[in-house]
Amino acid sequence: KAGVTQTPRYLIKTRGQQVTLSCSPISGHRSVSWYQQTPGQGLQFLFEYFSETQRNKGNFPGRFSGRQFSNSRSEMNVSTLELGDSALYLCASSLAPPVHNTGELFFGEGSRLTVL
Amino acid sequence: ILNVEQSPQSLHVQEGDSTNFTCSFPSSNFYALHWYRWETAKSPEALFVMTLNGDEKKKGRISATLNTKEGYSYLYIKGSQPEDSATYLCAQGGTALIFGKGTTLSVSS
Repeated sequence: KAGVTQTPRYLIKTRGQQVTLSCSPISGHRSVSWYQQTPGQGLQFLFEYFSETQRNKGNFPGRFSGRQFSNSRSEMNVSTLELGDSALYLCASSLAPPVHNTGELFFGEGSRLTVL
Repeated sequence: ILNVEQSPQSLHVQEGDSTNFTCSFPSSNFYALHWYRWETAKSPEALFVMTLNGDEKKKGRISATLNTKEGYSYLYIKGSQPEDSATYLCAQGGTALIFGKGTTLSVSS
């Protein structure tokens, strides 16, 4: 059973550009969530999708957006990149819907974004 | 406590030592407490998800307890091995998890 796949694994952008990251969840998982990790910070919740609908959003500016497709694959986009957006972006999938979900998350290996 | 807090931040032990970490979280609006193990260059891997006050879970040499009334969880590793070296994360919530900053364990042989 394939795990959570994130692409690209590494990328370098310059300030002002935009970036799109992709996440393919484990087959059968319909919940996808995104997290950001920056140096010195714990994993911070970005947003969560289930059945192509955003169910929850963290405290991030509107430059951060995402979507989920009918096959449960998800993308996140960051526009007008800033130096502080340099981070590891992790995607996680889970089997159950967001409400009443106490199941574990299955994480991908992340996309490491460097903004110059 | 407004955030999820973990202590110690880092820990270095000798092979064979037993150790434990603490995770503190807001006791109000509790949903579930997760523990993850994150090895360098890999993805975080779930160890335990606990929901009930008094829960105790065990996986091999690793075990965890949960006290939702006072807002803490302990993770224990018995007889640490070099392969236990990793960052251990705890998180509270459903799927929109609030993570602590982790405890980084280093085990020397």
